[in-house]
Amino acid sequence: KQEVTQIPAALSVPEGENLVLNCSFTDSAIYNLQWFRQDPGKGLTSLLLIQSSQREQTSGRLNASLDKSSGRSTLYIAASQPGDSATYLCAYKAAGNKLTFGGGTRVLVKP
Amino acid sequence: DVKVTQSSRYLVKRTGEKVFLECVQDMDHENMFWYRQDPGLGLRLIYFSYDVKMKEKGDIPEGYSVSREKKERFSLILESASTNQTSMYLCASSPPGADSSYNEQFFGPGTRLTVL
Repeated sequence: KQEVTQIPAALSVPEGENLVLNCSFTDSAIYNLQWFRQDPGKGLTSLLLIQSSQREQTSGRLNASLDKSSGRSTLYIAASQPGDSATYLCAYKAAGNKLTFGGGTRVLVKP
Repeated sequence: DVKVTQSSRYLVKRTGEKVFLECVQDMDHENMFWYRQDPGLGLRLIYFSYDVKMKEKGDIPEGYSVSREKKERFSLILESASTNQTSMYLCASSPPGADSSYNEQFFGPGTRLTVL
């Protein structure tokens, strides 16, 4: 069974600190990897999509890297703000249309 | 921007009722998905559809059915709701390309269903 692991499950940092969120996966034949943000009781907001041929993607303060050979992706959030508090999920797409999700990392940024 | 909407944010039903959850997307996407999300179990795929009138079972289809009569609308049906179907239900859509690295999934706001 292919799996996605996100460590840590929860993270608390003071405002201004950089965030590093980890995602590891066992399927080496991925097509892409997507990072999402989820606020409590809400749906998922897509943050970044990294294609299998890419090593990283950037959007504003967010940077995501992908290392297919080691089965790892990392989401960096620079200069964290209280508004970044949310759960962050990674998911990969292999052949077909299905996404396989990790369990998420719950982030709290303290003012 | 892609917009995926779900008919209800919160829904309370009784055991045995037939329940319809509706999802509409406005980006002409071929693919649509239904997930449920539960604490400790994460997101699990119930059903997906890659075209009108087409459907595929996901990981946990038991107790559910789906309908896709129009491209923009994908309905999840609980034929006889049970308490173990209390959950957050999330709909998503994506452009075509089962073997493409480009297609990104876009999610709706979710429906919190409680079955009493």
